[in-house]
Amino acid sequence: QVQLQQWGAGLLKPSETLSLTCTVSGGFFSGYYWTWIRQSPGKGLEWIGEINSSGNTNYNPSLKSRVIMSIDTSKSQFSLNLTSVSAADTAVYYCARPRLAVRSPLAYWGQGTLVSVSS
Amino acid sequence: EIVLTQSPGVLSLSPGESATLSCRASQTVTNNFLAWYQQKPGQAPRLVIYGASSRAAGIPDRFSGSGSGTDFTLTLSRLEPEDFAVYYCQQYDRSPRTFGQGTKVQI
Repeated sequence: QVQLQQWGAGLLKPSETLSLTCTVSGGFFSGYYWTWIRQSPGKGLEWIGEINSSGNTNYNPSLKSRVIMSIDTSKSQFSLNLTSVSAADTAVYYCARPRLAVRSPLAYWGQGTLVSVSS
Repeated sequence: EIVLTQSPGVLSLSPGESATLSCRASQTVTNNFLAWYQQKPGQAPRLVIYGASSRAAGIPDRFSGSGSGTDFTLTLSRLEPEDFAVYYCQQYDRSPRTFGQGTKVQI
């Protein structure tokens, strides 16, 4: 079955860059828009953006100036970089895969990574 | 962007009762590209309903979704103890693919 395993640094200082990677096992890697979601403590879900196997991206306009997503199809991995972090970026970050290749909700999720930003 | 507003914020019910959750969109969600997720503490969200009314794999039939356009509903019939959680709606019609703020179904 499809599994997403994510990792990355959990504690950052203000102005540093958040870096997370998600490795996918099971199922096809190509053809999907691989997605990043975050959830601030006690808050709701925020869609960060998505990237497909061709490297095409869609970012949330609220984060677009600081987000860089990349993908490595040879390793079935995709990554999130968020620059110039502040305390407002403290959240659990999830990677996810949609149910189908086109216009589809998120059916597979990583375990989540808590990223804390503090001086 | 499409803003999704969920109501109520909190629903206090007992096992065996039914729950009706609302999700209202600021713009028409075409093709019913509207999903519902269930999230329990410390866990990732779980897809419950997609296409406004189709149950995801493994979801029991006491979960049902309805609606179209700008008004969508998730109905939980005969609540089981494991159904108490936070539920989010999400539109995947347009980018950014926004979420509602969530409805907590509590005992």
